[in-house]
Amino acid sequence: NAGVTQTPKFQVLKTGQSMTLQCAQDMNHEYMSWYRQDPGMGLRLIHYSVGAGITDQGEVPNGYNVSRSTTEDFPLRLLSAAPSQTSVYFCASSSGTRETQYFGPGTRLLVL
Amino acid sequence: DAKTTQPPSMDCAEGRAANLPCNHSTISGNEYVYWYRQIHSQGPQYIIHGLKNNETNEMASLIITEDRKSSTLILPHATLRDTAVYYCPHVADQFYFGTGTSLTVIP
Repeated sequence: NAGVTQTPKFQVLKTGQSMTLQCAQDMNHEYMSWYRQDPGMGLRLIHYSVGAGITDQGEVPNGYNVSRSTTEDFPLRLLSAAPSQTSVYFCASSSGTRETQYFGPGTRLLVL
Repeated sequence: DAKTTQPPSMDCAEGRAANLPCNHSTISGNEYVYWYRQIHSQGPQYIIHGLKNNETNEMASLIITEDRKSSTLILPHATLRDTAVYYCPHVADQFYFGTGTSLTVIP
């Protein structure tokens, strides 16, 4: 099993550009989530999904959209990137909201 | 609001036991205690979890106090590769990670 995979590993964007961060898991997990990590802030939950077709907001959802059309994939969309979205983004999956979460390697995003 | 509290940093001599504390002041009866670590900006890695009883696996031991308001992660023989940030997230409806404890293992 590959576990949780994320692409790209690194990305540089200009303010106002859009992009999609990809996340996939092959563990048949129903629950998937996106976090961002900034220096001194720990991990903060952006959006999560408890199953295909179901998504909800976390602590810091503004500026991000998600969808969950399949169990395996949970993409994170930035419609109009801002410098405040410069961060490291982690995707995670688990069999339930309170179950052990498994994290991907992260995507490092720089918005100029 | 930090629902778990950890010291920001700790040092440990290589080969010695590392004991990392966590306070769970708002933990409820059915909420598990989880520990993760993050090595040099990699994705967080699951270490161990428990509800009431002490737990041990190949990576670490977890000691939970009887009132469940605090726990200690024990790395029995710390190595340089254990240098990382260690998190004990508050697990309620979601996982809430704080800023963790930065453990440095010193040669």
